[in-house]
Amino acid sequence: AQSVTQLDSQVPVFEEAPVELRCNYSSSVSVYLFWYVQYPNQGLQLLLKYLSGSTLVESINGFEAEFNKSQTSFHLRKPSVHISDTAEYFCAVSVQGAQKLVFGQGTRLTINP
Amino acid sequence: GAGVSQSPRYKVAKRGQDVALRCDPISGHVSLFWYQQALGQGPEFLTYFQNEAQLDKSGLPSDRFFAERPEGSVSTLKIQRTQQEDSAVYLCASSLVVAGGYNEQFFGPGTRLTVL
Repeated sequence: AQSVTQLDSQVPVFEEAPVELRCNYSSSVSVYLFWYVQYPNQGLQLLLKYLSGSTLVESINGFEAEFNKSQTSFHLRKPSVHISDTAEYFCAVSVQGAQKLVFGQGTRLTINP
Repeated sequence: GAGVSQSPRYKVAKRGQDVALRCDPISGHVSLFWYQQALGQGPEFLTYFQNEAQLDKSGLPSDRFFAERPEGSVSTLKIQRTQQEDSAVYLCASSLVVAGGYNEQFFGPGTRLTVL
């Protein structure tokens, strides 16, 4: 079975500071990796995904994540955060060829002015 | 276009009552998923449909939980004899492609169920 661990339940940072949200997974088979974002009072939205190929993936709003197979990690980073990035972020995996997503517990990112 | 919609958005039930939660997937989406998100936790998989066929119900926590998608479009998640531990947000997601490869899941806003 697959599992996902998000090491930080809450991460407070100042505006324009860099941030890293950590995610580790366990799986005995190949997986796809995802980061979802949930803004206040909104549904889950896909932020970025790793399927294959380049281990560094980017989103349109400046986030990036790097797949590290040896460390079974998929940490999310942004070099300079904005107030509008305040949200809950979920790391998720799915087994290649399967359908369901397995989510981590979530990390609440709070941006202070 | 229209996304995944769920109704009701909020539901309060007394312990022991039956509830029915509805999901309208994106038109044409073949796959439909239900997830349960307890307070402060990530979503957990409940069940999965491909058209009207329920292919995986391994996540349903007890036989009080029942899901159906009789015409391969709208789906209903029913919870019988609700218990306080059933309080959670119930998320529905749909995806377009049938099988193989990667199929992005699009999530609805969820139904927040509170059992008193």
